[in-house]
Amino acid sequence: KNEVEQSPQNLTAQEGEFITINCSYSVGISALHWLQQHPGGGIVSLFMLSSGKKKHGRLIATINIQEKHSSLHITASHPRDSAVYICAANTGNQFYFGTGTSLTVIP
Amino acid sequence: NAGVTQTPKFRVLKTGQSMTLLCAQDMNHEYMYWYRQDPGMGLRLIHYSVGEGTTAKGEVPDGYNVSRLKKQNFLLGLESAAPSQTSVYFCASSYREGNYHYGYTFGSGTRLTVV
Repeated sequence: KNEVEQSPQNLTAQEGEFITINCSYSVGISALHWLQQHPGGGIVSLFMLSSGKKKHGRLIATINIQEKHSSLHITASHPRDSAVYICAANTGNQFYFGTGTSLTVIP
Repeated sequence: NAGVTQTPKFRVLKTGQSMTLLCAQDMNHEYMYWYRQDPGMGLRLIHYSVGEGTTAKGEVPDGYNVSRLKKQNFLLGLESAAPSQTSVYFCASSYREGNYHYGYTFGSGTRLTVV
Protein backbone atom coordinates (compact mmCIF):
# COMPACT_ATOMS: atom_id res chain seq x y z
CA LYS A 1 0.00 0.00 0.00
CA ASN A 2 1.43 3.35 -1.07
CA GLU A 3 0.31 6.32 0.93
CA VAL A 4 1.49 8.66 -1.82
CA GLU A 5 1.07 8.09 -5.55
CA GLN A 6 2.60 10.24 -8.28
CA SER A 7 1.92 10.44 -12.00
CA PRO A 8 3.37 10.22 -14.49
CA GLN A 9 6.47 8.21 -13.57
CA ASN A 10 8.38 9.57 -16.54
CA LEU A 11 7.81 12.69 -18.60
CA THR A 12 9.60 14.06 -21.64
CA ALA A 13 8.82 17.56 -22.83
CA GLN A 14 10.07 20.02 -25.41
CA GLU A 15 11.60 23.22 -24.12
CA GLY A 16 8.91 25.81 -23.52
CA GLU A 17 6.10 23.37 -22.79
CA PHE A 18 3.81 23.63 -19.78
CA ILE A 19 4.30 20.66 -17.45
CA THR A 20 2.04 19.15 -14.80
CA ILE A 21 3.00 16.50 -12.27
CA ASN A 22 0.30 15.02 -10.06
CA CYS A 23 0.36 13.68 -6.51
CA SER A 24 -2.42 11.87 -4.65
CA TYR A 25 -2.22 10.83 -1.03
CA SER A 26 -4.34 8.68 1.24
CA VAL A 27 -3.17 9.81 4.69
CA GLY A 28 -4.26 12.78 6.72
CA ILE A 29 -1.63 15.46 6.36
CA SER A 30 -0.57 18.70 7.94
CA ALA A 31 1.31 19.73 4.79
CA LEU A 32 2.48 18.49 1.40
CA HIS A 33 6.07 19.08 0.29
CA TRP A 34 7.46 19.09 -3.23
CA LEU A 35 11.11 18.15 -3.62
CA GLN A 36 13.50 18.25 -6.57
CA GLN A 37 16.26 15.70 -6.95
CA HIS A 38 19.00 16.79 -9.32
CA PRO A 39 20.72 14.37 -11.72
CA GLY A 40 23.71 14.41 -9.36
CA GLY A 41 21.50 13.12 -6.55
CA GLY A 42 21.07 16.17 -4.32
CA ILE A 43 17.56 16.87 -3.00
CA VAL A 44 16.15 20.33 -2.39
CA SER A 45 12.80 21.39 -1.03
CA LEU A 46 10.72 23.43 -3.47
CA PHE A 47 7.44 24.03 -1.67
CA MET A 48 5.55 23.30 1.49
CA LEU A 49 1.81 23.86 1.23
CA SER A 50 -1.19 23.12 3.36
CA SER A 51 -3.83 24.87 1.26
CA GLY A 52 -4.33 26.79 -1.97
CA LYS A 53 -1.47 27.64 -4.23
CA LYS A 54 2.16 28.77 -4.05
CA LYS A 55 4.35 30.21 -6.81
CA HIS A 56 8.10 30.53 -7.10
CA GLY A 57 9.43 31.73 -10.41
CA ARG A 58 8.16 29.35 -13.09
CA LEU A 59 7.03 26.77 -10.56
CA ILE A 60 3.48 26.64 -9.21
CA ALA A 61 2.17 24.15 -6.65
CA THR A 62 -1.48 23.64 -5.81
CA ILE A 63 -3.27 21.46 -3.30
CA ASN A 64 -6.87 20.36 -2.85
CA ILE A 65 -7.22 19.07 0.70
CA GLN A 66 -10.73 17.68 0.20
CA GLU A 67 -9.65 15.63 -2.82
CA LYS A 68 -6.23 14.76 -1.30
CA HIS A 69 -4.47 15.86 -4.44
CA SER A 70 -1.63 18.19 -5.31
CA SER A 71 -0.10 19.31 -8.58
CA LEU A 72 3.24 20.82 -9.51
CA HIS A 73 3.26 22.95 -12.66
CA ILE A 74 6.27 24.22 -14.55
CA THR A 75 5.67 27.03 -17.03
CA ALA A 76 7.99 27.64 -20.00
CA SER A 77 10.02 24.53 -19.22
CA HIS A 78 13.79 24.60 -19.72
CA PRO A 79 16.39 21.82 -19.96
CA ARG A 80 17.71 22.83 -16.52
CA ASP A 81 14.34 21.73 -15.10
CA SER A 82 15.29 18.14 -15.92
CA ALA A 83 15.23 16.33 -12.58
CA VAL A 84 13.17 13.96 -10.49
CA TYR A 85 10.28 15.64 -8.68
CA ILE A 86 9.08 14.01 -5.47
CA CYS A 87 6.03 14.78 -3.39
CA ALA A 88 6.07 14.08 0.32
CA ALA A 89 3.07 13.99 2.65
CA ASN A 90 3.84 15.25 6.14
CA THR A 91 1.88 13.61 8.92
CA GLY A 92 3.00 14.61 12.39
CA ASN A 93 6.63 13.59 12.75
CA GLN A 94 6.91 11.60 9.56
CA PHE A 95 6.95 12.07 5.81
CA TYR A 96 5.59 9.64 3.22
CA PHE A 97 7.12 9.92 -0.22
CA GLY A 98 5.98 9.27 -3.75
CA THR A 99 8.34 7.36 -6.02
CA GLY A 100 9.06 10.46 -8.05
CA THR A 101 8.46 11.77 -11.56
CA SER A 102 11.50 11.82 -13.81
CA LEU A 103 11.30 14.88 -16.06
CA THR A 104 13.46 15.38 -19.13
CA VAL A 105 13.18 18.66 -21.04
CA ILE A 106 14.63 18.52 -24.53
CA PRO A 107 16.07 21.68 -26.13
CA ASN B 1 27.70 27.16 4.18
CA ALA B 2 24.71 26.30 6.36
CA GLY B 3 23.15 22.95 5.68
CA VAL B 4 23.34 19.23 6.23
CA THR B 5 26.64 17.44 5.77
CA GLN B 6 26.92 13.69 5.36
CA THR B 7 30.07 11.62 5.55
CA PRO B 8 31.25 9.55 3.84
CA LYS B 9 29.89 10.08 0.32
CA PHE B 10 30.76 6.60 -0.90
CA ARG B 11 31.58 3.34 0.84
CA VAL B 12 31.98 -0.31 -0.07
CA LEU B 13 31.54 -2.83 2.73
CA LYS B 14 31.91 -6.56 2.90
CA THR B 15 29.01 -8.57 4.28
CA GLY B 16 29.20 -8.62 8.06
CA GLN B 17 31.30 -5.47 8.43
CA SER B 18 30.07 -2.55 10.48
CA MET B 19 30.13 1.17 9.80
CA THR B 20 28.73 4.48 10.97
CA LEU B 21 27.34 7.23 8.77
CA LEU B 22 27.59 10.72 10.18
CA CYS B 23 25.10 13.52 9.62
CA ALA B 24 25.80 17.03 10.86
CA GLN B 25 23.57 20.12 10.60
CA ASP B 26 24.32 23.67 11.65
CA MET B 27 20.80 25.11 11.47
CA ASN B 28 19.78 24.28 15.04
CA HIS B 29 17.02 22.01 13.76
CA GLU B 30 15.28 19.79 16.31
CA TYR B 31 14.22 17.12 13.84
CA MET B 32 16.66 14.86 12.00
CA TYR B 33 15.96 11.89 9.76
CA TRP B 34 17.73 9.02 8.05
CA TYR B 35 16.25 7.72 4.79
CA ARG B 36 17.24 5.15 2.25
CA GLN B 37 16.47 5.49 -1.43
CA ASP B 38 16.17 2.43 -3.65
CA PRO B 39 15.21 2.30 -7.33
CA GLY B 40 11.46 2.32 -7.85
CA MET B 41 10.68 2.61 -4.14
CA GLY B 42 11.17 6.24 -3.24
CA LEU B 43 12.58 7.48 0.03
CA ARG B 44 11.87 5.36 3.09
CA LEU B 45 12.37 6.47 6.67
CA ILE B 46 14.81 4.38 8.70
CA HIS B 47 14.94 6.29 12.00
CA TYR B 48 14.31 9.81 13.11
CA SER B 49 14.94 12.07 16.09
CA VAL B 50 12.83 14.88 17.53
CA GLY B 51 15.63 16.26 19.67
CA GLU B 52 18.90 15.62 21.41
CA GLY B 53 18.92 12.28 23.19
CA THR B 54 15.77 10.99 21.48
CA THR B 55 15.34 8.59 18.60
CA ALA B 56 12.42 6.70 17.07
CA LYS B 57 11.92 3.95 14.51
CA GLY B 58 10.67 4.69 11.04
CA GLU B 59 9.36 2.44 8.31
CA VAL B 60 12.46 0.24 7.78
CA PRO B 61 14.54 0.25 11.01
CA ASP B 62 15.75 -3.37 11.07
CA GLY B 63 19.52 -3.75 10.81
CA TYR B 64 20.20 -0.12 11.74
CA ASN B 65 20.82 1.77 14.95
CA VAL B 66 21.03 5.50 15.56
CA SER B 67 22.22 7.93 18.17
CA ARG B 68 21.74 11.65 18.75
CA LEU B 69 24.08 12.59 21.56
CA LYS B 70 24.40 16.17 20.33
CA LYS B 71 21.67 18.25 18.70
CA GLN B 72 23.70 18.87 15.57
CA ASN B 73 24.72 15.25 14.92
CA PHE B 74 22.70 12.17 13.98
CA LEU B 75 24.61 8.92 13.52
CA LEU B 76 23.39 5.88 11.61
CA GLY B 77 25.08 2.58 12.38
CA LEU B 78 25.09 -0.72 10.54
CA GLU B 79 26.23 -3.42 12.95
CA SER B 80 26.53 -6.28 10.45
CA ALA B 81 26.08 -5.12 6.88
CA ALA B 82 24.03 -7.21 4.44
CA PRO B 83 23.73 -6.92 0.64
CA SER B 84 20.09 -5.82 1.14
CA GLN B 85 21.46 -2.65 2.73
CA THR B 86 23.05 -1.56 -0.53
CA SER B 87 21.35 1.77 -1.12
CA VAL B 88 21.73 5.52 -1.18
CA TYR B 89 21.29 7.00 2.29
CA PHE B 90 20.06 10.54 2.89
CA CYS B 91 20.02 12.52 6.08
CA ALA B 92 17.63 15.44 6.47
CA SER B 93 16.64 17.96 9.11
CA SER B 94 13.77 20.32 9.83
CA TYR B 95 12.22 22.42 12.54
CA ARG B 96 8.62 22.31 13.60
CA GLU B 97 6.19 25.10 14.41
CA GLY B 98 2.76 23.79 15.31
CA ASN B 99 1.82 21.17 12.76
CA TYR B 100 4.28 22.31 10.10
CA HIS B 101 7.86 21.37 9.32
CA TYR B 102 10.00 24.16 7.93
CA GLY B 103 13.48 24.34 6.52
CA TYR B 104 13.40 20.72 5.31
CA THR B 105 17.01 20.25 4.18
CA PHE B 106 18.77 17.18 2.81
CA GLY B 107 22.36 16.08 2.82
CA SER B 108 24.04 15.11 -0.44
CA GLY B 109 23.70 11.38 0.20
CA THR B 110 25.93 8.39 0.89
CA ARG B 111 26.15 5.65 -1.70
CA LEU B 112 26.74 2.37 0.14
CA THR B 113 27.49 -0.93 -1.55
CA VAL B 114 27.61 -4.15 0.45
CA VAL B 115 29.33 -7.03 -1.33
